[in-house]
Amino acid sequence: NAGVTQTPKFRILKIGQSMTLQCTQDMNHNYMYWYRQDPGMGLKLIYYSVGAGITDKGEVPNGYNVSRSTTEDFPLRLELAAPSQTSVYFCASNGGSEAFFGQGTRLTVV
Amino acid sequence: DQQVKQNSPSLSVQEGRISILNCDYTNSMFDYFLWYKKYPAEGPTFLISISSIKDKNEDGRFTVFLNKSAKHLSLHIVPSQPGDSAVYFCHSFSGGTSYGKLTFGQGTILTVHP
Repeated sequence: NAGVTQTPKFRILKIGQSMTLQCTQDMNHNYMYWYRQDPGMGLKLIYYSVGAGITDKGEVPNGYNVSRSTTEDFPLRLELAAPSQTSVYFCASNGGSEAFFGQGTRLTVV
Repeated sequence: DQQVKQNSPSLSVQEGRISILNCDYTNSMFDYFLWYKKYPAEGPTFLISISSIKDKNEDGRFTVFLNKSAKHLSLHIVPSQPGDSAVYFCHSFSGGTSYGKLTFGQGTILTVHP
C-alpha cells in the first residue's frame, strides 16, 4: 500500500518558470490537500479538494492552481515561480479520520 | 482565522521525564481532535486522536487529554525518549461541517535530551 506519493522530491526552479507538483493516493480518499511549510513555520493550507471535480482555496492560494480530475490525483501547479514560493510542499489525503501525508517536495526558486 | 493554536513554539525535556504539549481551539463545534508528529525531511504522521465524547485517550507512552469547557487539548509523553524529538501538530474538526478545510496549529518543536 503506497499511501500518498509525491513527485518530485526536490526541484530547483528559476524565477518565472512553471512546474507541476504531482500527488497521487491509492486509498480512495475523497479529501485531498496541499500544504506548504516554510522554515520554522507551521503547515499552511494552499488548496484542498473534497472530491473529484471540486476544489477550494485554503489559507495561501495565491500563485498556485490545482485540479482534481480523478479521485487519485491532485496536482499543484505553479505558473510563474517566485522566490517567495521556496518551501517544502506536502500533499495529504483523508478518508474520514486521520490524514495521510506524502514525503514532501522541497522546492527552491532562484 | 486560526481556529487551532499551539502557543508554545518549542519545548525541551530531559530523557525519562514527562513532555506536555498544549493546544487551544476556538470552535465549540469541533468534535474530533488529533495529534501528528513530524520528523525533518518527512511528512507528518498521525499519532493519536480523541473524540469529544471522551476526556482521555491513551496509547502506550502517549496520552491525549481533552478539556471541552476550556477548549484545551494536551498531549502527554511519558517517559520521553530522544526519538520523540520532532515537531508536533494538533488538529481539530467537526465531522460533516467544516471537515473539508483541514488546518493545523503552528506546531511545537519537542527536543528530548539524553
